[in-house]
Amino acid sequence: QSALTQPPSVSAAAGQKVTISCSGSSSNIGDHYGNTYVCWYQQLPGAAPKLLIYGNDKRPSGIPDRFSGSKSGTSATLGVTGVQTGDEAYYYCGAWDTSLNGVIFGGGTKLTVL
Amino acid sequence: QVQLVESGGGVVQPGRSLRLSCEVSGFNFRDYGMHWVRQAPGKGLEWVALITYDGGKEFYADSVKGRFIISRDNSRNTVSLQMSGLRAEDTAVYYCAKDLAAGGIDYWGLGTLVTVSS
Repeated sequence: QSALTQPPSVSAAAGQKVTISCSGSSSNIGDHYGNTYVCWYQQLPGAAPKLLIYGNDKRPSGIPDRFSGSKSGTSATLGVTGVQTGDEAYYYCGAWDTSLNGVIFGGGTKLTVL
Repeated sequence: QVQLVESGGGVVQPGRSLRLSCEVSGFNFRDYGMHWVRQAPGKGLEWVALITYDGGKEFYADSVKGRFIISRDNSRNTVSLQMSGLRAEDTAVYYCAKDLAAGGIDYWGLGTLVTVSS
């Protein structure tokens, strides 16, 4: 199963903004019928993944509005403003793939706060 | 609050079988699909399987199709993963996770480690 494409790493100084891209195809992120939605997950060191963004751009209760999501065509983007040292983690995008009939994840992006 | 607790992990020889279980609480289990997702040491997330809310449909990653079976017991709030023909590349932490719909996952367990080694 091919993964969605994410940069292996990004970095930003504390307090700055960073974006993480996630590239897919017409069978997942860019599904023509709008049946698929992008989610973003945060995995802190030694912990289980945690849902950050669902439905392309929605935040679950308790997730600060410093985190945002967007989707355009076959790509999605996670934005983090006012980056903090506590945000250092791996970030994964995920979506349903209508060709594979399964969930597909990105390879993960490590966020480093300088 | 929502809790998902996996069990059944351990060390197993190649070619053998192992059964993972996940007990859930804190939500109406019979209304939601359930996933298994795994993560090999130092690697990213890999989706393994999904079972619909009523157990009527199952979906599998190509890498486990024909070897793994996902099942659920709505009377006991449990979801299981029967793994057979295990290979070294199946070594991973296996997470049980609650379906959010359209491929999303909103709650994850802490995971259970499966090591396939002779």
